[in-house]
Amino acid sequence: EAGVTQFPSHSVIEKGQTVTLRCDPISGHDNLYWYRRVMGKEIKFLLHFVKESKQDESGMPNNRFLAERTGGTYSTLKVQPAELEDSGVYFCASSQAPYEQYFGPGTRLTVT
Amino acid sequence: RKEVEQDPGPFNVPEGATVAFNCTYSNSASQSFFWYRQDCRKEPKLLMSVYSSGNEDGRFTAQLNRASQYISLLIRDSKLSDSATYLCVVLSNTGKLIFGQGTTLQVKP
Repeated sequence: EAGVTQFPSHSVIEKGQTVTLRCDPISGHDNLYWYRRVMGKEIKFLLHFVKESKQDESGMPNNRFLAERTGGTYSTLKVQPAELEDSGVYFCASSQAPYEQYFGPGTRLTVT
Repeated sequence: RKEVEQDPGPFNVPEGATVAFNCTYSNSASQSFFWYRQDCRKEPKLLMSVYSSGNEDGRFTAQLNRASQYISLLIRDSKLSDSATYLCVVLSNTGKLIFGQGTTLQVKP
């Protein structure tokens, strides 16, 4: 069975540009999560989808971040416009039940 | 105060050593606890869940002390392949995972 996949694996963009990250969860998993690790800090929660609905978006840093999960399958996370402090590794995770979350390999975002 | 606190290390130990990691959490209402392992530039992977009665999986033993809000992981007979960052993780009542900063283990030959 395929695991959680994320695209791209790396992205280098300039400050002010837009970037869209994609996550494909494990097939059949209704729960999809986005997390982020900024250098030197712990991994932090961004938001949680149940199917196509946002269950919890309390971790989204500001309105430059927009997450969608149309149709309840894959999800996108768009950062517009990107700032230097957005650099980090963005992880997606999916699960059937909340306590068993499977992580994707992450997207390493560098904003210059 | 961070919700989950860990000693970042690094812990440098020889092969065959026993090493213990500790973690404290701030929310006394937390119900589910885990240790994840993260290799360099990889995603976190679930190592084991932590139960009040303590649980063991081969060379790994996890313990939970609810009164002290303290979680531990013991690794016996360390292998080179155990070198990684070990993340203490608490599940919130809303379903999100709350991570500690991680403890780095380096096992030397």
